[in-house]
Amino acid sequence: DVKVTQSSRYLVKRTGEKVFLECVQDMDHENMFWYRQDPGLGLRLIYFSYDVKMKEKGDIPEGYSVSREKKERFSLILESASTNQTSMYLCASSLTASEAFFGQGTRLTVV
Amino acid sequence: GENVEQHPSTLSVQEGDSAVIKCTYSDSASNYFPWYKQELGKGPQLIIDIRSNVGEKKDQRIAVTLNKTAKHFSLHITETQPEDSAVYFCASNTGGSYIPTFGRGTSLIVHP
Repeated sequence: DVKVTQSSRYLVKRTGEKVFLECVQDMDHENMFWYRQDPGLGLRLIYFSYDVKMKEKGDIPEGYSVSREKKERFSLILESASTNQTSMYLCASSLTASEAFFGQGTRLTVV
Repeated sequence: GENVEQHPSTLSVQEGDSAVIKCTYSDSASNYFPWYKQELGKGPQLIIDIRSNVGEKKDQRIAVTLNKTAKHFSLHITETQPEDSAVYFCASNTGGSYIPTFGRGTSLIVHP
């Protein structure tokens, strides 16, 4: 059974903290994505990666960075968390232009 | 870049009724159109997809239609059941691109 696993279901962090969201996939997919989900705004792409150490900005990269040191792992980093980054974060992976497999999501609250 | 519009944002039906969700896309090069279902507390999961060389595809109570000329595609759910209640997202992939562009989602509520 294919799997994308996000390290945390719920996180509460303080303003200004550095936050790491981890995602691991076991399908040997080249492509990995980080989305942010907010009510009424759907899924917005933050960053994506098509290979190890490769990364590209999505639609809303400001305030975020990513790291992909190994093929199976894609990390999202909030350099200095702010309250407007309170959201649901979804990681996904895919093989070419086909089905994307999503993790269960991390609900981040910044206080 | 690609733009995907999805309507309605909320859809409420009685159990047993049909539900239709519609999406339009802007890039004529788009050639892959998946639909995802997101249940409460979970990530989206693919339920059906269609490629641009096909006009319609069915899987039990779910069907998707594609009109390339009009650049729109639709999800049809027949004989709805309470467990169909979820948020549904349409998406499109432009030819050669592995990055899906998502619609804003439709919250489907099926009343018993």
